[in-house]
Amino acid sequence: DAGVTQSPTHLIKTRGQHVTLRCSPISGHKSVSWYQQVLGQGPQFIFQYYEKEERGRGNFPDRFSARQFPNYSSELNVNALLLGDSALYLCASSSAGGYYGYTFGSGTRLTVV
Amino acid sequence: QKEVEQNSGPLSVPEGAIASLNCTYSDRGSQSFFWYRQYSGKSPELIMSIYSNGDKEDGRFTAQLNKASQYVSLLIRDSQPSDSATYLCAVTETSYDKVIFGPGTSLSVIP
Repeated sequence: DAGVTQSPTHLIKTRGQHVTLRCSPISGHKSVSWYQQVLGQGPQFIFQYYEKEERGRGNFPDRFSARQFPNYSSELNVNALLLGDSALYLCASSSAGGYYGYTFGSGTRLTVV
Repeated sequence: QKEVEQNSGPLSVPEGAIASLNCTYSDRGSQSFFWYRQYSGKSPELIMSIYSNGDKEDGRFTAQLNKASQYVSLLIRDSQPSDSATYLCAVTETSYDKVIFGPGTSLSVIP
């Protein structure tokens, strides 16, 4: 059974560009959460989606947006990239919200130059 | 702003010793508490979850929860070099819609 799949694994973008990160949760899981982890810090909550609806949003600017599709996969979009957006972006899969904990994907390492 | 704090590291222990990791949280309504392990360059992995006051043991790991003190801890007995990693404490907000992570504590087990 496949785990949480994230793509791409790594990417390098230029300031001002746009990026789309993708995530497929564990089969049967209906909730996807996105986190940003800067080197040396804990993951910071960006969004949570459950059954295609946004259930929570962290303290991130409107440049960050996300959506969840009918098959429960999800996209995280970041517009007008800044150098400070360089981080590991983690997708977390769960059956329903955060109560039972998450299974994380391997992450997407974004470098903005 | 809801917060999760962890004891500052790095923490170094000799092989075979007990490693003690501590965490405090600010949301009194939190119901779920977790410890994740994160190896360098990898994503976090859930190793313990605890929901009620007291101790929960799983192999060499023991999680302890005290809701009155808003305190969670993780004990690792018979520490092994393979336990060297960053340990993240995580707590759900009251609504369960959001899991807040602490900054992590780096643990090094010295052979």
